[in-house]
Amino acid sequence: RKEVEQDPGPFNVPEGATVAFNCTYSNSASQSFFWYRQDCRKEPKLLMSVYSSGNEDGRFTAQLNRASQYISLLIRDSKLSDSATYLCVVNPTDSWGKLQFGAGTQVVVTP
Amino acid sequence: DTEVTQTPKHLVMGMTNKKSLKCEQHMGHRAMYWYKQKAKKPPELMFVYSYEKLSINESVPSRFSPECPNSSLLNLHLHALQPEDSALYLCASSPYTSGRLKETQYFGPGTRLLVL
Repeated sequence: RKEVEQDPGPFNVPEGATVAFNCTYSNSASQSFFWYRQDCRKEPKLLMSVYSSGNEDGRFTAQLNRASQYISLLIRDSKLSDSATYLCVVNPTDSWGKLQFGAGTQVVVTP
Repeated sequence: DTEVTQTPKHLVMGMTNKKSLKCEQHMGHRAMYWYKQKAKKPPELMFVYSYEKLSINESVPSRFSPECPNSSLLNLHLHALQPEDSALYLCASSPYTSGRLKETQYFGPGTRLLVL
């Protein structure tokens, strides 16, 4: 089983719609979680950290479900510029420096 | 300022060449990383430096040689590479504080390497 698993998509989303996707992680002791966004042929950029109570940053909402070991990302009012690959990243507490990356979920926002 | 810079942006080299990739950050971070990323795959960790000392080497072939001259700079020396080493090479940094188990990493724009 992979340490972090994501649905690769693509999720084709009409402009203005809402899209949500999850990732699951295997290490129940993991303490910190992040969503990165990666545009084609660019570097991953931190989108947001994910906190236990869930958190919101503008049109983006991240949730953490420790019991089921999954993290979700919801994008409201999708913009064309939201088209990217979203990487779920877990920082395992037992292995400093070795972030665990999901394979990424591709989102394509269409006009 | 959360900027990590990398040079060059693109590099084409032959299998007998020697070249170096450079990374720089001025955020006062004390941990720096090299990753390799192939198309449609997540980044793969290669090396980690903390306080200018190599702390993690993910069994990377010796044709890749990292160097950390000071706390702001990280180099990756390349020699006798193979075509399958063609990839995006990403540098990252993180603060490395007492809360480092919860830290995230900040990535540079990468060097796109093509080995012929």
